[in-house]
Amino acid sequence: KQEVTQIPAALSVPEGENLVLNCSFTDSAIYNLQWFRQDPGKGLTSLLLIQSSQREQTSGRLNASLDKSSGRSTLYIAASQPGDSATYLCAVTYSGGSNYKLTFGKGTLLTVNP
Amino acid sequence: NAGVMQNPRHLVRRRGQEARLRCSPMKGHSHVYWYRQLPEEGLKFMVYLQKENIIDESGMPKERFSAEFPKEGPSILRIQQVVRGDSAAYFCASSPARVETQYFGPGTRLLVL
Repeated sequence: KQEVTQIPAALSVPEGENLVLNCSFTDSAIYNLQWFRQDPGKGLTSLLLIQSSQREQTSGRLNASLDKSSGRSTLYIAASQPGDSATYLCAVTYSGGSNYKLTFGKGTLLTVNP
Repeated sequence: NAGVMQNPRHLVRRRGQEARLRCSPMKGHSHVYWYRQLPEEGLKFMVYLQKENIIDESGMPKERFSAEFPKEGPSILRIQQVVRGDSAAYFCASSPARVETQYFGPGTRLLVL
C-alpha cells in the first residue's frame, strides 16, 4: 500500500528558529514529491515540487530535499516567522499509470510563537 | 487569471438531502481532480476528470457519489442522500495537462446535520 507519513503531527517553535519537517513514503517509485501549505479554512498553496530525478529544491527560506532510496523528504524552514504558522502537507505522485494522483500525508501543524 | 474557484465555500445539509459542489478550473485547464479531507485525515483522491470524460474514479465511494465535467460549465461533485460521515472538506484542483502541477481551490466545507 502506498502511504505517506509525516512527523511530527504538530510542532511549536519560537520565532527565529530553524526547523525541519519530515515526510516518509513507502514506495520509492515516485514521480515527484510536493510540499504544500494549508491555512485554516483555506485551500492548498504549493511551496516546492521535487521531481524524482532531483535531490532538492529551494525557494526563499524553504529548502526541500528528497532521498528516494530511503523514502524520505524533509522541508527545512530557516528563520521561522509567525506568518509561517500553518499546516504543511507532503504529497507524493507515484510513477506509472496513475502519476496524476496525489497521495497526501496527514500534515504537520506548525505554530511559530512571536 | 483567476485561480480555481469552488462554490459554495460552506454547505450545510440534513441527512438524506443532496449536496452539489461546483468547481471552476483555472482558465485554460481541462483536467480536474477532486479530493476529500475528512476530519483528522489527509486529503484523499476521489476522481479525475477531463472535459466530458471520467478518467479515474477509483477513489469515489461506489454509491451516492458522482462527478461530471461537462463541455460547458463547472465540474460538479454530487452527493445524494448525504450521511453524517460525508461531512468533510472537498477540494478541487485543476491542471492544464495530465501530469502538470495541480492548482487547488479553497475547498467546500460540507456539514451534514
